[in-house]
Amino acid sequence: QLQLQESGPGLVKPSETLSLTCTVSGDSINSNSYHWDWIRQSPGKGLEWIGSVYYSGSTDYNPSLKSRVTIFVDTVKNQFSLNLRSVTAADTAVYYCARRGILTGRLDPWGHGTLVIVSS
Amino acid sequence: DIQMTQSPSSLSASVGDRVTITCRATENIITYLNWYQQTPGKAPKLLIYEASSLQGGDPSRFSGSGSGTDFTLTISSLQVEDFATYYCQQSYSSPFTFGQGTTVEMK
Repeated sequence: QLQLQESGPGLVKPSETLSLTCTVSGDSINSNSYHWDWIRQSPGKGLEWIGSVYYSGSTDYNPSLKSRVTIFVDTVKNQFSLNLRSVTAADTAVYYCARRGILTGRLDPWGHGTLVIVSS
Repeated sequence: DIQMTQSPSSLSASVGDRVTITCRATENIITYLNWYQQTPGKAPKLLIYEASSLQGGDPSRFSGSGSGTDFTLTISSLQVEDFATYYCQQSYSSPFTFGQGTTVEMK
């Protein structure tokens, strides 16, 4: 059964870089049928799609975050990661990773989510 | 970006009630519309994909319909475990956007 698990610091200082990793178990990330996505959820903005990576390394980002985001894949470790630079309090959210089907665009499954607080 | 608007934002209902939630897109997304259920402290869970296809393992009391810009999620007979927040999401074009959510509360 495919499972995704987010990991990374729960507290980041303003202006620093938020770094999270999603570990995929139960299947290979080396699939031409899926993208691997990051989504976040904050009380003020609801669910927000951050961006995605394909096993080849190609990426797609939300224009609202594109200048600060990098998503990359490590096929050897079966992981993909998110870097969000120059964070502010507005980046405080629960961050989820998920698999997205290429044909349908459905996000399934999701990781459990990890809360990241931006504060000094 | 395609904007997704759900209505209502919240509703109160009783066990056994029929519940309908609507989702409207600002442009034609054909049937690239997915529905998710989220309970407090948990990640969203896929319920319906491509507007009307029930995700495997989900109860048949959930159904979806619609195409173009207008979509509906229906729960035919509300159960206790269905009290949750529901989100629609368009997967037609990037950036993939979500509705603001509809919370189904116990009356």
